Amino acid sequence: DAKTTQPTSMDCAEGRAANLPCNHSTISGNEYVYWYRQIHSQGPQYIIHGLKNNETNEMASLIITEDRKSSTLILPHATLRDTAVYYCIVREGTGTASKLTFGTGTRLQVTL
Amino acid sequence: GAGVSQSPSNKVTEKGKDVELRCDPISGHTALYWYRQSLGQGLEFLIYFQGNSAPDKSGLPSDRFSAERTGGSVSTLTIQRTQQEDSAVYLCASSLAQGYNQPQHFGDGTRLSIL
Repeated sequence: DAKTTQPTSMDCAEGRAANLPCNHSTISGNEYVYWYRQIHSQGPQYIIHGLKNNETNEMASLIITEDRKSSTLILPHATLRDTAVYYCIVREGTGTASKLTFGTGTRLQVTL
Repeated sequence: GAGVSQSPSNKVTEKGKDVELRCDPISGHTALYWYRQSLGQGLEFLIYFQGNSAPDKSGLPSDRFSAERTGGSVSTLTIQRTQQEDSAVYLCASSLAQGYNQPQHFGDGTRLSIL
C-alpha cells in the first residue's frame, strides 16, 4: 500500500466541523483511499472510502483532490464521541489479500 | 444489524498453554482476516480467508499459529505453546468479498495476556 502522511494530533470544538487531512502523494491509479477510526479498547471502525470522486455517508464526507495526492475527511458536527485515532489508508486494487496497513494516524480530541 | 463478533473478549493464560480465539463474521461475508495489534502498535496482518481456504498465510509469525474456517463462516485462530510476546489484541475483520472496493469491518478483538 502507498504511504500516507497525517498530522499526529488535532483538536476540535464540539459542534464544529473536524477536517482531517491526509497526504498520499505516491498513490497510483487503482488505489482507493480509506478512512477508519479506533476508539480506545474497540476495534477499528470503517468510516468511508473513495477512488477519485468525493463521497458522503451518514458518518462523514471524503474530499479527494483532483490529482488524488491528498484527501480530507470531514466530520460535519463533531461530538465528544468522535474522539479517536483516525487512520487514512490507500489500498491497492490487485492481489488476493487486500490486507490493511495502518500508519500512526491522527489523534482527534473533541473538546467542550 | 449484527457486526463481527469475537470471543472471548479477554483471555489470560499461562505461558506454554494453548489458546483458541473465535471469530463470527458478518453474515454473508466471504472474506475474513485476522490481525493483531500490540500495545501502541499498528495492525499486523496474520491470515486471510476467502471462503474456507486461506490463500494468504504470510503473516502468521510462527508455526505455533494456525487458523481454520469451516462452513465459510466461523473462524478460529489457535496459538499453541503461548509465549509472552504473543500478548496482544487479536482482531478479526470480514468483508463482503475480497478486493480493494470492499470495506473490512472489524470486531472488538480478543485481548490476550500471557503470564
